[in-house]
Amino acid sequence: DTAVSQTPKYLVTQMGNDKSIKCEQNLGHDTMYWYKQDSKKFLKIMFSYNNKELIINETVPNRFSPKSPDKAHLNLHINSLELGDSAVYFCASSPRLAGGQETQYFGPGTRLLVL
Amino acid sequence: GESVGLHLPTLSVQEGDNSIINCAYSNSASDYFIWYKQESGKGPQFIIDIRSNMDKRQGQRVTVLLNKTVKHLSLQIAATQPGDSAVYFCAEKPNYSSASKIIFGSGTRLSIRP
Repeated sequence: DTAVSQTPKYLVTQMGNDKSIKCEQNLGHDTMYWYKQDSKKFLKIMFSYNNKELIINETVPNRFSPKSPDKAHLNLHINSLELGDSAVYFCASSPRLAGGQETQYFGPGTRLLVL
Repeated sequence: GESVGLHLPTLSVQEGDNSIINCAYSNSASDYFIWYKQESGKGPQFIIDIRSNMDKRQGQRVTVLLNKTVKHLSLQIAATQPGDSAVYFCAEKPNYSSASKIIFGSGTRLSIRP
């Protein structure tokens, strides 16, 4: 299936741990994103990569580090997890960043719960 | 500052009726707008978009209206079906041509009464 996929779907962990979420898209898109959705459904962009290059880096704690080994993958590593990191994290991709090619295709989300 | 907001956090509609979901934005420079649908347990899904040089755009059973004078965006869903139950987000982009981020609004939950 052509899609944006994320692993794991659920992640339950203790405060202070380090964890990674992986994202892959086989749509041939140039641009990938990470979003955080809180309990009130508010979606906020965290990072955007275009052809493996960081384009958007919102005000996110430096405990969050994205890595793009190639343009089909954008992983998110989180160090020293805190209770406030509990949320649903969505990966998305778009053909390009601008000019009508920025329709974003979202993955199914990773539900992170920090205890 | 920039903001994308919604007039109603929840909307309950009788099956078969038309639904109208509203969105207000404050950045008059925004020139590209998108509606997304998010079903329970899934990621947001693109529905329809509109550029600021248009005031109306139609898709299959959906219509987006843009009123730049009052900075208002709406999504109309015709003959609402149970499968339309979801949270709907409007989103804006300050500049259609540039590599700027898309800003999502806070969402409206649409529920369908049988």
